[in-house]
Amino acid sequence: DTVLTQSPALAVSPGERVSISCRASEGVNSYMHWYQQKPGQQPKLLIYKASNLASGVPARFSGSGSGTDFTLTIDPVEADDTATYFCQQSWNDPTFGAGTKLELK
Amino acid sequence: QVQLKESGPGLVQPSQTLSLTCTVSGFSLTSNSVHWVRQPPGKGLEWVGAIWSGGSTDYNSALKSRLSISRDTSKSQVFLKMNSLQTEDTAIYFCTYYGYWFAYWGQGTLVTVSS
Repeated sequence: DTVLTQSPALAVSPGERVSISCRASEGVNSYMHWYQQKPGQQPKLLIYKASNLASGVPARFSGSGSGTDFTLTIDPVEADDTATYFCQQSWNDPTFGAGTKLELK
Repeated sequence: QVQLKESGPGLVQPSQTLSLTCTVSGFSLTSNSVHWVRQPPGKGLEWVGAIWSGGSTDYNSALKSRLSISRDTSKSQVFLKMNSLQTEDTAIYFCTYYGYWFAYWGQGTLVTVSS
């Protein structure tokens, strides 16, 4: 299985820029996607194929990377962005990162 | 408008079989695939398995021996059956619309394995 590694948590102030990383144990080309999940809700697609913004997602969210290293950037961060962010690859059988919990100071 | 909705028993006894249904609308099962993803309370997401547009299936290797996914295209329903349930199978089970990424998700259904 392709293992995806994310940092467990980050804390930022509103208005700042935050980057959330995801490292794959093997190359996944550009087949990396990002989701936002708030408590009690289903995950919501933010970015697909590394850098494509999903429909209806604010342009404050962006994605970059290829191969094994990927980044989700939020700039500027807003209070409503408090959530857990998951990366997911689909180059092989789908796997997810453990999630990065974003908290606001 | 793509929609998915999971249904099934909230409580299953250990060693018993779980049966879940995903009812979809806004797309055809013969043109698109549906996957199941689960999430233990307070934990991360785990891909469970898939049924592809042609009817073939793929399963998480760790669950394969206990898992079966099928569908009824006339009713726009996808079914998940998992046997020999244990407490570690307690999770929210989501069905999702898949096109290399999980674009649409159901609200999820909580399954608790307990006697």
